[in-house]
Amino acid sequence: SYVLTQPPSVSVAPGQTARITCGGNNIGSKSVHWYQQKPGQAPVLVVYDDSDRPSGIPERFSGSNSGNTATLTISRVEAGDEADYYCQVWDSSSDFVVFGGGTKLTVL
Amino acid sequence: QLQLQESGSGLVKPSQTLSLTCAVSGGSISSGGYSWSWIRQPPGKGLEWIGYIYHSGSTYYNPSLKSRVTISVDRSKNQFSLKLSSVTAADTAVYYCARCLVVEGRWFDPWGQGTLVTVSS
Repeated sequence: SYVLTQPPSVSVAPGQTARITCGGNNIGSKSVHWYQQKPGQAPVLVVYDDSDRPSGIPERFSGSNSGNTATLTISRVEAGDEADYYCQVWDSSSDFVVFGGGTKLTVL
Repeated sequence: QLQLQESGSGLVKPSQTLSLTCAVSGGSISSGGYSWSWIRQPPGKGLEWIGYIYHSGSTYYNPSLKSRVTISVDRSKNQFSLKLSSVTAADTAVYYCARCLVVEGRWFDPWGQGTLVTVSS
């Protein structure tokens, strides 16, 4: 089965840029989606189809995907961005959904 | 604005069947172009896709759970349900329902608030 690998944690100072990676075999050929989950809350979609943002999501959130790595980039990080972030893809060959293990973003 | 709300038993005994319902409001579950999904999250751990049911009624499940899972839709009540049989402590988790857009890629939006199910005697 397809495996997505995320770093367990990423730390960044306020105002800086956070980059959270999601690794997978030839992930660049798949559409990658990202979710933000704050403690005690349900996940919220922040990026879909590699780099599109749902309405209401700040432009500070962006995504890219190429080769074996997809990246969620959060610019001008704020304290309120502190959360767990999950990447997700769909395996079309078996109609199967895969989530990465999640990355805890800490704002220093 | 579409909203989803999970409900069901919060405590299930080992070997019994977990049953949850997701009520959909602000839109019709019969709308084409979507599938209706269940996802779970064990305490302190990551997200695990359980499965979904398409508008056509076709279902797809996580192979690791397939033998124990049933997802169904009640269009008259605008809700869908999850049944997970022969539960063990490993099935203790927050269970989320979510809408999935049926396009190349499949993503989940929105999600319900989640409901904690504990498996314990």
